Amino acid sequence: DAKTTQPTSMDCAEGRAANLPCNHSTISGNEYVYWYRQIHSQGPQYIIHGLKNNETNEMASLIITEDRKSSTLILPHATLRDTAVYYCIVRRTGANSKLTFGKGITLSVRP
Amino acid sequence: DSGVTQTPKHLITATGQRVTLRCSPRSGDLSVYWYQQSLDQGLQFLIQYYNGEERAKGNILERFSAQQFPDLHSELNLSSLELGDSALYFCASSGTPEFGTTNEKLFFGSGTQLSVL
Repeated sequence: DAKTTQPTSMDCAEGRAANLPCNHSTISGNEYVYWYRQIHSQGPQYIIHGLKNNETNEMASLIITEDRKSSTLILPHATLRDTAVYYCIVRRTGANSKLTFGKGITLSVRP
Repeated sequence: DSGVTQTPKHLITATGQRVTLRCSPRSGDLSVYWYQQSLDQGLQFLIQYYNGEERAKGNILERFSAQQFPDLHSELNLSSLELGDSALYFCASSGTPEFGTTNEKLFFGSGTQLSVL
């Protein structure tokens, strides 16, 4: 599976949009971009995933560049409860495909 | 609440001992995954079972073993415990009937905190 690169940390103000970047320049055609988050020592939580089109759900939006080498997770109105480690993961489909977590980015939402 | 249940929540034991961690997946989920999270290694994939069969293996030590039972619950057995095995152990189950599909999402339990003294 392709590797991802994320900044170590970022912060944003409560109520503002949080834009979390991820680079995956070696992504191949059958690999999806997944985002999970982990709130302090809880189990990771699925947020969203996509292949090449932008995706939106009740939690967030995922914007993938046309060349698919990078993506941005957008939390439209960040709250204090969104403070967590966010993992960007590239994963191929098919048998024996594993979800491999990197170090992620720590998002701190400030009041 | 993810629907994945892990017991116990906390476990304190001594070096050289053996422990069993238990996981009940979400209702209807056939795949179970085990992950280990330590401060220095982050989240590491250990092993995956699908409908009772081992399907993928990660960085699982030979001292560790797992199985998935006919009722789909899973157990992770850790033996000859060392100080370095102290970690959070997470179980996850898959929300799709087939592993490795495009829409597979993992739902994680709240973990078992293992402390080896």
